[in-house]
Amino acid sequence: NAGVTQTPKFRILKIGQSMTLQCTQDMNHNYMYWYRQDPGMGLKLIYYSVGAGITDKGEVPNGYNVSRSTTEDFPLRLELAAPSQTSVYFCASNFEQPLTRRTFFGQGTRLTVV
Amino acid sequence: GDSVTQMEGPVTLSEEAFLTINCTYTATGYPSLFWYVQYPGEGLQLLLKATKADDKGSNKGFEATYRKETTSFHLEKGSVQVSDSAVYFCALIQGAQKLVFGQGTRLTINP
Repeated sequence: NAGVTQTPKFRILKIGQSMTLQCTQDMNHNYMYWYRQDPGMGLKLIYYSVGAGITDKGEVPNGYNVSRSTTEDFPLRLELAAPSQTSVYFCASNFEQPLTRRTFFGQGTRLTVV
Repeated sequence: GDSVTQMEGPVTLSEEAFLTINCTYTATGYPSLFWYVQYPGEGLQLLLKATKADDKGSNKGFEATYRKETTSFHLEKGSVQVSDSAVYFCALIQGAQKLVFGQGTRLTINP
């Protein structure tokens, strides 16, 4: 059981480049999330999904896009990278049942935009 | 909206010292509360949780009690170890299953 898997672990982008951060989970979770973690700050929610085909904005969605074509995968797209997007990105997932509200996290992707 | 406030870090202690990391929350309903830990170079791991008032979550010697009257969920450990050095995040979840995090507290334990 791999849990939540993110790729890549590290990436350096030039301003204006685009990339996709991959996230997959094998726990059949309905809910999936993308967070960013800036130095000295808590995690901020970028986008989330409550199931395949359904996505919604979080606190800081500008500059990002997501899709959820399958239950397992929830990729995050950066179209025009900016230095402000330098951060560590975490994908997460959990069940929808309230009593099992444990959220599982991937190991993170450290992105630097130069 | 819902929010979580943690004591500012960094916190530096000697091994075997007593640890308290304060956490208070603001929420309209009755959230579930969590402490997550992030060891260097790793993702977040659930440390403990409490789902209703007066519940006590515990794990690895850490404890936190859900205090509705003071809207708090302070993390405590009686005797810390060097291996406890990490960043600790208090969080809540309510409604649409979205975790709301505090800013994190970096803990360093010196031998």
